[in-house]
Amino acid sequence: GAVVSQHPSWVICKSGTSVKIECRSLDFQATTMFWYRQFPKQSLMLMATSNEGSKATYEQGVEKDKFLINHASLTLSTLTVTSAHPEDSSFYICSASLDRGLGTQYFGPGTRLLVL
Amino acid sequence: TQLLEQSPQFLSIQEGENLTVYCNSSSVFSSLQWYRQEPGEGPVLLVTVVTGGEVKKLKRLTFQFGDARKDSSLHITAAQPGDTGLYLCAGRGTSYGKLTFGQGTILTVHP
Repeated sequence: GAVVSQHPSWVICKSGTSVKIECRSLDFQATTMFWYRQFPKQSLMLMATSNEGSKATYEQGVEKDKFLINHASLTLSTLTVTSAHPEDSSFYICSASLDRGLGTQYFGPGTRLLVL
Repeated sequence: TQLLEQSPQFLSIQEGENLTVYCNSSSVFSSLQWYRQEPGEGPVLLVTVVTGGEVKKLKRLTFQFGDARKDSSLHITAAQPGDTGLYLCAGRGTSYGKLTFGQGTILTVHP
């Protein structure tokens, strides 16, 4: 089956620093990747949709200058949390899809971010 | 904006009991998916239902898509402790590829 990996699996950083999270589709080419945020015991909230080679589309209320998304290739998308603050601490999950997002979304294992 | 109301939010039952989780919306979805998620991991797809009225079975799990494709249910028969987890429904609507997730149901099955 389709496998999606995320790196790192967890990260602790100081307030004010930037953190980059990678999402890779290991055995397929993902034309579209999605980034989600999840708080403890809550559901997934879509942050942005990323299509290879074009700018990401952000959901309402998500700051694009704070959460920088780059989808430079068909197997890699990155989410950079810039000038992280404690309130950015969360579980970040990506998913990857074929067919411009119309196909099944395959989810990564998530990245736990803790900002001190 | 499409919303998906999932209930109940929490479910704590004894091993061997049956349970049903519901997802309801006023919007029509082209398909609906059910996921199970364990703490610290990403969601794992259980099933996708596409046709109104469709029923799919996965061992002790039965999934149903409403006739109007606005609602869905997940029924678990004779729950086991291994069924414990967060169950999420997600509908794919008219927006290009986007999934709308329900609030999730935290299921705890006690031995």
